[in-house]
Amino acid sequence: EPEVTQTPSHQVTQMGQEVILRCVPISNHLYFYWYRQILGQKVEFLVSFYNNEISEKSEIFDDQFSVERPDGSNFTLKIRSTKLEDSAMYFCASTPTAPYEQYFGPGTRLTVT
Amino acid sequence: AQSVTQLDSHVSVSEGTPVLLRCNYSSSYSPSLFWYVQHPNKGLQLLLKYTSAATLVKGINGFEAEFKKSETSFHLTKPSAHMSDAAEYFCVVIPLSGGYNKLIFGAGTRLAVHP
Repeated sequence: EPEVTQTPSHQVTQMGQEVILRCVPISNHLYFYWYRQILGQKVEFLVSFYNNEISEKSEIFDDQFSVERPDGSNFTLKIRSTKLEDSAMYFCASTPTAPYEQYFGPGTRLTVT
Repeated sequence: AQSVTQLDSHVSVSEGTPVLLRCNYSSSYSPSLFWYVQHPNKGLQLLLKYTSAATLVKGINGFEAEFKKSETSFHLTKPSAHMSDAAEYFCVVIPLSGGYNKLIFGAGTRLAVHP
């Protein structure tokens, strides 16, 4: 069964460093998403991406964040200058059409020290 | 704005007894509702979905949920809990006004199953 994959599973970085989180969505899906879950808190929507552009973003998704689909398979989330409060689990999701249930990857745990 | 409220942050049951995880939603539209499960150190897995067809929805692993419009509820149930059901469960709604179906998550209910 096709699934969403994410790399790395765990990333440790120092405050102020740039990080790139990578996702490979399910191959025939057209809509892509990033969510995050700070430890002990709700899963929060960050951004949605369709037709090679951002379709919606939350207040969390400020100028420090960017997303890209550099080729036909990868979907990346970049944080330019990480802060301590960016420490969280980041989930990628995809879906073939909207509205529809989303399929999630296993997550990347980002730890900013 | 659409939202979901999970009424219990923790639920503890004995193996073999019924499970009830409660969720109320707030929506101006006929909502799409989901339950996702997150096992320790794992990703989010879809348990079941309601999209305005049958009000009683069956999911994986013996779970089901009933959509009750009059009560604005979408409670998750299972007749007999297994140890493997211990996990965090999220009630989720799609705000149909958005168009691109970002998911809005409840706070989660942690289910513990005791022998």
